Formats: sequence, structure tokens, C-alpha cells
Amino acid sequence: SQQGEEDPQALSIQEGENATMNCSYKTSINNLQWYRQNSGRGLVHLILIRSNEREKHSGRLRVTLDTSKKSSSLLITASRAADTASYFCATDANSGNTPLVFGKGTRLSVIA
Amino acid sequence: DSGVTQTPKHLITATGQRVTLRCSPRSGDLSVYWYQQSLDQGLQFLIQYYNGEERAKGNILERFSAQQFPDLHSELNLSSLELGDSALYFCASSQPPTGEQETQYFGPGTRLLVL
Repeated sequence: SQQGEEDPQALSIQEGENATMNCSYKTSINNLQWYRQNSGRGLVHLILIRSNEREKHSGRLRVTLDTSKKSSSLLITASRAADTASYFCATDANSGNTPLVFGKGTRLSVIA
Repeated sequence: DSGVTQTPKHLITATGQRVTLRCSPRSGDLSVYWYQQSLDQGLQFLIQYYNGEERAKGNILERFSAQQFPDLHSELNLSSLELGDSALYFCASSQPPTGEQETQYFGPGTRLLVL
């Protein structure tokens, strides 16, 4: 079963605009991660936020985590055409050595 | 480059056949994970090995099996292949888990096409 689910499924914006993607999950977690996948390539880790953190920044990326609502958001500021990719959230259930569970992703298209 | 290598990059085979996918983890990583990614199912976790031992099992079919060798490379064996097994197969590796999952590093994937 899917632990994390991203919303929207697809997003199309103009270069220079901000892109916001959301992730909702079902059970308590230790941490939540965001990954990026260019078409047909392997996933690349972007950022990890722990359950006791509320916000984290990395370059043009800003991630928030609301454990009370079991949700996270990924904001990409000043988007570029090269940001075109699918973005996945991944969560681990807070119970022992459970593996990461990935959502189905948000497909972001940045139009130049 | 994540440091995780997978071979082959592409594989075309017929239904009923058996194939082996190979993965070498990043230097120092003891955990290896296998995932299947298809258009309609998203990224599905198949199985995890840690230092040669099976650690966690996901939605892996009985026709599929995996192992991790003493040098830490891993192989995923797919047998009695069906058309629906056509997908991208990814391997990922990570540092030893300490009760919570840390970053996983993904290989470039093997694209399997079953005709």
C-alpha cells in the first residue's frame, strides 16, 4: 500500500515561477525524503527532513513537514527548465527496519 | 553519478525466459534494495538485503528471487517472465540502517522488455 501520496499528479509552470508539490502519508514516521527522477533515469536524493523538524532548505528547495497533518510540501523557487522531472516523497514507518515507501510522484514540467 | 552500478542497461527477452540483473552498491554500503517501476504501478519495493542477509521483503513475486554475495554485489533473478514484468528495475544502496531509513542511492536502472 502507498504510504506517501503526492499531489498534484502533474504540474506545468513557466520558467521563473515557483513550484509546490505536496505529500501526504498515513502512519507516523522517523523521516521523510524527497527524490527527483529525470525521465527513465535513477532517482536522486534531494533532501531529508526528520520528524522533529518543521522546515528545511537546500539551495532553491524548501521542504516543510507537518506531522500533525501527516503532510509535507516541496517548494522549488525560481524554477528552471532543467527542473523538469518527476518528484517523489518517500517515508519510513516508525516501526523497526521498514523500508522506504515511495509515492507515485508529481510530474513537473517547466516551460522555457 | 551515485556510485551504484547496474548491468545490463537494457534487456529484451521472450515470455517464459529467465534473466539476471546485477547491482554493485556504493563503496561501504551494506544494504541493497531492489525496486520495480512500471507506468501504472509506480515505484514498488521488492526486497532488501543487508550484509548478505534478507532484511525486508515487499511485493516480490515468487517467480523473482534475489541474493547478496560476500563482496556485497546483488543479483535479482526473474524467471518465467510475463509481458507484465516489462519495467524498469532499480537497485539502490545505503549505509547500515540504525532503526530508521537514511538516504538511498539509486543506480541507473535496467530496462526490461518482455516480448
